[in-house]
Amino acid sequence: GAVVSQHPSWVICKSGTSVKIECRSLDFQATTMFWYRQFPKQSLMLMATSNEGSKATYEQGVEKDKFLINHASLTLSTLTVTSAHPEDSSFYICSAPDRTYEQYFGPGTRLTVT
Amino acid sequence: GDSVTQMEGPVTLSEEAFLTINCTYTATGYPSLFWYVQYPGEGLQLLLKATKADDKGSNKGFEATYRKETTSFHLEKGSVQVSDSAVYFCALSGAGKSTFGDGTTLTVKP
Repeated sequence: GAVVSQHPSWVICKSGTSVKIECRSLDFQATTMFWYRQFPKQSLMLMATSNEGSKATYEQGVEKDKFLINHASLTLSTLTVTSAHPEDSSFYICSAPDRTYEQYFGPGTRLTVT
Repeated sequence: GDSVTQMEGPVTLSEEAFLTINCTYTATGYPSLFWYVQYPGEGLQLLLKATKADDKGSNKGFEATYRKETTSFHLEKGSVQVSDSAVYFCALSGAGKSTFGDGTTLTVKP
């Protein structure tokens, strides 16, 4: 089946710095990718839809200036957490649907902001 | 908007017991329905899916049937094992975007 990768799998950064997380579809092209956030022992919440060639669409309550999304190519989307703070610590998961809308999830990136 | 309501947990069972985790949904149109499993510290793994009414998804002894009339997609397994201990998420998907239930933590004791 299709594979979606994320890098890094975990990252620790200091408060005030920015962190970039990559999401790649390894064997299919994805004009759309989705970014989710998961707090400990909670469900996944959709943060934004990444669109190749156009601006990302953010869900209500998600700060677009805090979470910058760039869909650089048909196989790569990046999420940059800018000026990270401890409350941004979370598990971030991306997904990409193939042409049949079957969705494939990345393994997730655990971000810890100290 | 779309929503998924999942049976509250946690659920604790003895090995070989019967499992049911209830899931109901609200959606416009005809979404695909999914069950995902998440082990501690890991990402989501697709457990099973159904793409239209009356479809039954099955995998590793787990089953769920897409019931349009009751807008439900309950997960069942006849005999759980300790290795089934994990968090289970019910989800629906329309045009690739997924909406998740809150998750149900299952613990199976030997």
